[in-house]
Amino acid sequence: GQQLNQSPQSMFIQEGEDVSMNCTSSSIFNTWLWYKQDPGEGPVLLIALYKAGELTSNGRLTAQFGTTRKDSFLNISASIPSDVGIYFCAGQRGTGNQFYFGTGTSLTVIP
Amino acid sequence: SAVISQKPSRDICQRGTSLTIQCQVDSQVTMMFWYRQQPGQSLTLIATANQGSEATYESGFVIDKFPISRPNLTFSTLTVSNMSPEDSSIYLCSVDGRANYGYTFGSGTRLTVV
Repeated sequence: GQQLNQSPQSMFIQEGEDVSMNCTSSSIFNTWLWYKQDPGEGPVLLIALYKAGELTSNGRLTAQFGTTRKDSFLNISASIPSDVGIYFCAGQRGTGNQFYFGTGTSLTVIP
Repeated sequence: SAVISQKPSRDICQRGTSLTIQCQVDSQVTMMFWYRQQPGQSLTLIATANQGSEATYESGFVIDKFPISRPNLTFSTLTVSNMSPEDSSIYLCSVDGRANYGYTFGSGTRLTVV
């Protein structure tokens, strides 16, 4: 299946620091999604991106749809302890097609 | 966005038995999806379930092992059959929320096979 690579695989940061993570693909996608998964829960959608170059914010989170359509980026500003979790990107080639999920970035915020 | 109720939330099962997982959505949706998340791994699509037709399975997944029902537009079940320890995973159902809401997931079923 399609492989989406996320980096970094894990991050340990101090509370208040900014976070950046990215997701790359060998294929072009028309939609990018970013999810957060807490332990024992299903993934929760954070941001959806539908257009190359699009920059979308959700509170302290900002995500960008890469201009090549093969990558996407997620930034978290001024991290807080509740940001802890695993962040997944997901890409879709076209409407009705399946979403392929990235390998995940585990975020730990140290108070 | 749609609200999904999935049950059971967790179960411990004996090898060789089967478990049926239920997924209830609070609104009518055309497509429902079943994912597997193995320990420490990402999500892998098992199959897509449309109401009124056979589910479409992804490579590596077969109907005999993971039979799916989709009797109406708000409900689906996934059965994990003849379980082995390798089936220990989180199983998640998801719907296409559309209207810019992307995919919504249930809280998952954590399955342990002993």
